[in-house]
Amino acid sequence: ILNVEQSPQSLHVQEGDSTNFTCSFPSSNFYALHWYRWETAKSPEALFVMTLNGDEKKKGRISATLNTKEGYSYLYIKGSQPEDSATYLCARNTGNQFYFGTGTSLTVIP
Amino acid sequence: NAGVTQTPKFQVLKTGQSMTLQCAQDMNHEYMSWYRQDPGMGLRLIHYSVGAGITDQGEVPNGYNVSRSTTEDFPLRLLSAAPSQTSVYFCASSPTTGASYGYTFGSGTRLTVV
Repeated sequence: ILNVEQSPQSLHVQEGDSTNFTCSFPSSNFYALHWYRWETAKSPEALFVMTLNGDEKKKGRISATLNTKEGYSYLYIKGSQPEDSATYLCARNTGNQFYFGTGTSLTVIP
Repeated sequence: NAGVTQTPKFQVLKTGQSMTLQCAQDMNHEYMSWYRQDPGMGLRLIHYSVGAGITDQGEVPNGYNVSRSTTEDFPLRLLSAAPSQTSVYFCASSPTTGASYGYTFGSGTRLTVV
């Protein structure tokens, strides 16, 4: 794959459900994989930066894993809350340039 | 700290007009970049800079110019606006090229070219 791809495009879950999304990227020329959280009418905010195959990062109820050999990363949200509603972006860094996916839009229904 | 400041927040231009989108950061970040956000597409890199005096093209540089005379400022110039440049523009900065650090984004500029 030439570009960063994210799936699903959108997701609706009930409050309390756990969920996960996928980011797929070319495994060649890899420097880092970033995850961002983007709330409506705000700017993207960095969640995680991962560089090593097998990396796992966690921030509260949100965690991420990285597989650079097969070119994918998973973002997990445990016990989703309405305030988790946002678009989650991943971006592949190849040194000086970032390539962003189109994001997964998450809506958590109270 | 103000972080990354973009001005203006909104702008309407007529086709053929020129304008400059301003971006300033007060975090002494070496790396700065400009992105555009269009419906159904990811953030696409227009131009970037790895330090004062150094700029380079990203994915979609046509129709845009940049300069980096200071560490703090990274303006984006539209020389002759076209309707295809209607978009939301984001400036972002990072301490270095970003392999270890995430971006800090500005609040965006919504540009409409009529």
